[in-house]
Amino acid sequence: DAGITQSPRHKVTETGTPVTLRCHQTENHRYMYWYRQDPGHGLRLIHYSYGVKDTDKGEVSDGYSVSRSKTEDFLLTLESATSSQTSVYFCAIQGQGNYEQYFGPGTRLTVT
Amino acid sequence: RKEVEQDPGPFNVPEGATVAFNCTYSNSASQSFFWYRQDCRKEPKLLMSVYSSGNEDGRFTAQLNRASQYISLLIRDSKLSDSATYLCVVASSPSGSARQLTFGSGTQLTVLP
Repeated sequence: DAGITQSPRHKVTETGTPVTLRCHQTENHRYMYWYRQDPGHGLRLIHYSYGVKDTDKGEVSDGYSVSRSKTEDFLLTLESATSSQTSVYFCAIQGQGNYEQYFGPGTRLTVT
Repeated sequence: RKEVEQDPGPFNVPEGATVAFNCTYSNSASQSFFWYRQDCRKEPKLLMSVYSSGNEDGRFTAQLNRASQYISLLIRDSKLSDSATYLCVVASSPSGSARQLTFGSGTQLTVLP
């Protein structure tokens, strides 16, 4: 157990509304990641963080922003949700060994 | 061409069978390699890292061929609990010690009683 929680676990929202997903870790890991998983695409990196206030874009960052004001929390924000952002969102932390990553339980987001 | 390609399956095998999964990757600068398993509607979980020398963890054996950019996973004596989707994962470094994981689409395994 890597001590990662995500909230909310499920959310239904309407097109055009802002949405923030939270990832919380308890083990002081430096690197944190946000992925989305969609049928036919596998998991794809949205944004990642390499420290407090240090973030960078991943493969599918358009329409998403992130913030990390504390080591333990990494927030993913959809400024104006669209139906194409309906997905399962996973947060991950990077371990100390072979750079492996450990995932949170995921958030199922539906944009109607 | 996808960066990480896997046979999607499904693989349906009887209990006790040996099953092999293969994966190819396109980025020759990839630095770390993994197999993850994912159960239905759950998060991916690390099964094992993959090293050039090959490595084994109980019934699971992983091999890496950097020259051919090929990764494999062998499961011996399959159990019902091995039923899951197996994800081939390759890591590259966008900056510093951060690692960007690129996932294959997964191979679905069902072990039948």
